[in-house]
Amino acid sequence: GAVVSQHPSRVICKSGTSVKIECRSLDFQATTMFWYRQFPKQSLMLMATSNEGSKATYEQGVEKDKFLINHASLTLSTLTVTSAHPEDSSFYICSADRDRPNTEAFFGQGTRLTVV
Amino acid sequence: DQQVKQNSPSLSVQEGRISILNCDYTNSMFDYFLWYKKYPAEGPTFLISISSIKDKNEDGRFTVFLNKSAKHLSLHIVPSQPGDSAVYFCAASGGEKLVFGKGTKLTVNP
Repeated sequence: GAVVSQHPSRVICKSGTSVKIECRSLDFQATTMFWYRQFPKQSLMLMATSNEGSKATYEQGVEKDKFLINHASLTLSTLTVTSAHPEDSSFYICSADRDRPNTEAFFGQGTRLTVV
Repeated sequence: DQQVKQNSPSLSVQEGRISILNCDYTNSMFDYFLWYKKYPAEGPTFLISISSIKDKNEDGRFTVFLNKSAKHLSLHIVPSQPGDSAVYFCAASGGEKLVFGKGTKLTVNP
């Protein structure tokens, strides 16, 4: 089946630094990818919708200058957490839609970000 | 190694009848379970959840049942409506992260 690969799976960074998370669709082209944040024992919070070749659409309350999203190709979207703070520590997960042969959604493995 | 399994990729139900979506998990450390609904080209939306200390949680037409001994949960939708047609994802958490099943596509026929 189709695979979405997310990298890294875990990252620890210092406050004030930036961290980039990659989301790749390995065997299909994804014009749309989604970025989520998840807190322990809570449901996913959609942060933004990443569209290939255009600007991402951010959900209300998500700072677009802090969470930079780039969807430069049909197989890669990146989320960069800029000037990270300890409160940004969380689990981030991406998903990608495949349109053919059937419409399906695939989730990445997630990235555990810890800001110290 | 798939820790959360939705063995039925698709399900077709008549409007007004009950839809039952099933999910099995292997990791006994999971203690929180969620169901998401997803329409094409949209992100999944949260439907209902259940903690491992309960065996049933009900919210309107949606009820989730948890059988810990069998490591099985199910989502019941009664009565089913055409607008319920979507892909449903089961997810499980042991506190660290969410693990998703591959989804079941539900079609509710008018």
